[in-house]
Amino acid sequence: ETGVTQSPTHLIKTRGQQVTLRCSSQSGHNTVSWYQQALGQGPQFIFQYYREEENGRGNFPPRFSGLQFPNYSSELNVNALELDDSALYLCASGVSRQNTEAFFGQGTRLTVV
Amino acid sequence: GQQLNQSPQSMFIQEGEDVSMNCTSSSIFNTWLWYKQDPGEGPVLLIALYKAGELTSNGRLTAQFGITRKDSFLNISASIPSDVGIYFCAGSSGSARQLTFGSGTQLTVLP
Repeated sequence: ETGVTQSPTHLIKTRGQQVTLRCSSQSGHNTVSWYQQALGQGPQFIFQYYREEENGRGNFPPRFSGLQFPNYSSELNVNALELDDSALYLCASGVSRQNTEAFFGQGTRLTVV
Repeated sequence: GQQLNQSPQSMFIQEGEDVSMNCTSSSIFNTWLWYKQDPGEGPVLLIALYKAGELTSNGRLTAQFGITRKDSFLNISASIPSDVGIYFCAGSSGSARQLTFGSGTQLTVLP
């Protein structure tokens, strides 16, 4: 067990709606990254937060946004949901910005209908 | 963007056999990581490699960071039923700490 927890575990939304996913990082970790994993694929990097600021972003549109809070918990927000947003969303926390090792939560399975 | 080619895509082996899988990249990575993912779960870190040529073991698992920094392999010795799952390689480079993942190797261990 990594100590990274995500909520909810499953979610069904309608196209065009907005969704907020939550992550609680492992104690002592100050970076959090979000990944999208489509069925049968490896995870794709969305963005990383360090000390409450975005510290890198993958090839995802602006309707994907995030927040990191002082207690190192984090949110991923997705606006104007599309069918292709259906995926497993993974949160990963790290010890520091320099340390590459990422420890993943169990993920949130989002289905857009 | 960076691409990782992971092979094989799937493997069926007998319990007790050894397994080998690898990843190659067109770009140089400074760090290679190997993860295992079970159904409905997030990836679990197995081994981290930080130096070209490095060979690291974790129990029955052994992984190597290629000399060219463009490849890595993972070996599992004496496979057991709980080794079943999807194995992912991931690389990281430069100042960015994002991980680029391979497409995974689905391992099935037959009794």
